Amino acid sequence: NAGVTQTPKFQVLKTGQSMTLQCAQDMNHEYMSWYRQDPGMGLRLIHYSVGAGITDQGEVPNGYNVSRSTTEDFPLRLLSAAPSQTSVYFCASKPWENQPQHFGDGTRLSIL
Amino acid sequence: AQKITQTQPGMFVQEKEAVTLDCTYDTSDPSYGLFWYKQPSSGEMIFLIYQGSYDQQNATEGRYSLNFQKARKSANLVISASQLGDSAMYFCAMREGPKTSYDKVIFGPGTSLSVIP
Repeated sequence: NAGVTQTPKFQVLKTGQSMTLQCAQDMNHEYMSWYRQDPGMGLRLIHYSVGAGITDQGEVPNGYNVSRSTTEDFPLRLLSAAPSQTSVYFCASKPWENQPQHFGDGTRLSIL
Repeated sequence: AQKITQTQPGMFVQEKEAVTLDCTYDTSDPSYGLFWYKQPSSGEMIFLIYQGSYDQQNATEGRYSLNFQKARKSANLVISASQLGDSAMYFCAMREGPKTSYDKVIFGPGTSLSVIP
């Protein structure tokens, strides 16, 4: 049972490059979300989705795009990477509203 | 707007003692849920306990209990009989909703707990 799988685990980008962080879950969860974690700031919500075809912005959406064409996948796109986007990115999913989220192992992204 | 506050950046507790980690929240939605997660130094997020806004009793899960004071908008985590393995970051989180297309879960800044032998 894979749960929530994030790829890659580590990535180094140059300023201005674009990239897609992949997230897949095999639990048939309707809800998926992306967070970034920075020291002293906890996890901040970037974008989330309550089902295929439905996405919405979180607390810090600027510079990031998402789409949800299938229940399983929720990729996060950085359009033009900036050093301020250096962070650890977590993807999470849950089946319905009162259930806890299942988290992936995270992607550590460095932008030079 | 949703907001979670954790006012204790770092806490120390003696092994086998109890410790309370504070969490206050702000929401205008009458339906919400509160979660606590643990993040050890290895980085994974571990779910600990959940409290719904309409739950009549405080949640408990083994050594974890949630001191839920709805009028004060606080949801403090109590860890009884601390163990060395409890040393970690602890995050309080809140879900607002649900509505048809709105179900945000936001996190507080976290509290770093260190258990002293």
